[in-house]
Amino acid sequence: KQEVTQIPAALSVPEGENLVLNCSFTDSAIYNLQWFRQDPGKGLTSLLLIQSSQREQTSGRLNASLDKSSGRSTLYIAASQPGDSATYLCAATNQAGTALIFGKGTTLSVSS
Amino acid sequence: NAGVTQTPKFQVLKTGQSMTLQCAQDMNHNSMYWYRQDPGMGLRLIYYSASEGTTDKGEVPNGYNVSRLNKREFSLRLESAAPSQTSVYFCASSTRTVTDTQYFGPGTRLTVL
Repeated sequence: KQEVTQIPAALSVPEGENLVLNCSFTDSAIYNLQWFRQDPGKGLTSLLLIQSSQREQTSGRLNASLDKSSGRSTLYIAASQPGDSATYLCAATNQAGTALIFGKGTTLSVSS
Repeated sequence: NAGVTQTPKFQVLKTGQSMTLQCAQDMNHNSMYWYRQDPGMGLRLIYYSASEGTTDKGEVPNGYNVSRLNKREFSLRLESAAPSQTSVYFCASSTRTVTDTQYFGPGTRLTVL
């Protein structure tokens, strides 16, 4: 059964710092891994989707990597801004490709 | 283009009452999903519909029923609400399958007393 873990649960950084959020999953037989952002009281917004055959995806200041063999993904945020403050969730597909299994998220706070 | 919309935004029920959460998408997506989000538990899939006319159970289906009314609409019904169903409910949709990018609605915050 796929399980997804995100560490740390919370992170506080000063504006301008580069940072890495970690995600690990137990079953390497994934179709893809997705990163989402959730603002307080809001729904989820998709940030990046990495197919199982890819090593990384980039969008603006965000870069997500995928290492299936070790069961790990990282989300790199460059030059963080206060507007990046949110909860970041990663999700991996189950082996059957019928569901996304979510981690509990990392809550990021960027101070100005 | 509204994306995924959900009604209501907030709801308070008494134990044993029933209600239906509504979800609609205007992106012509085939697949739709219902999740619940609880503190410390993350998002968990309740039911999904891979295409119009089909529905399947997710991780936590007990106490819920769903209807895929047409391609646009996917409703979630609580027949006899219980305090354990107090949660935030999210509807999502994707182009074809769960492996495509999912687009989420704003959520319904449900409290069962």
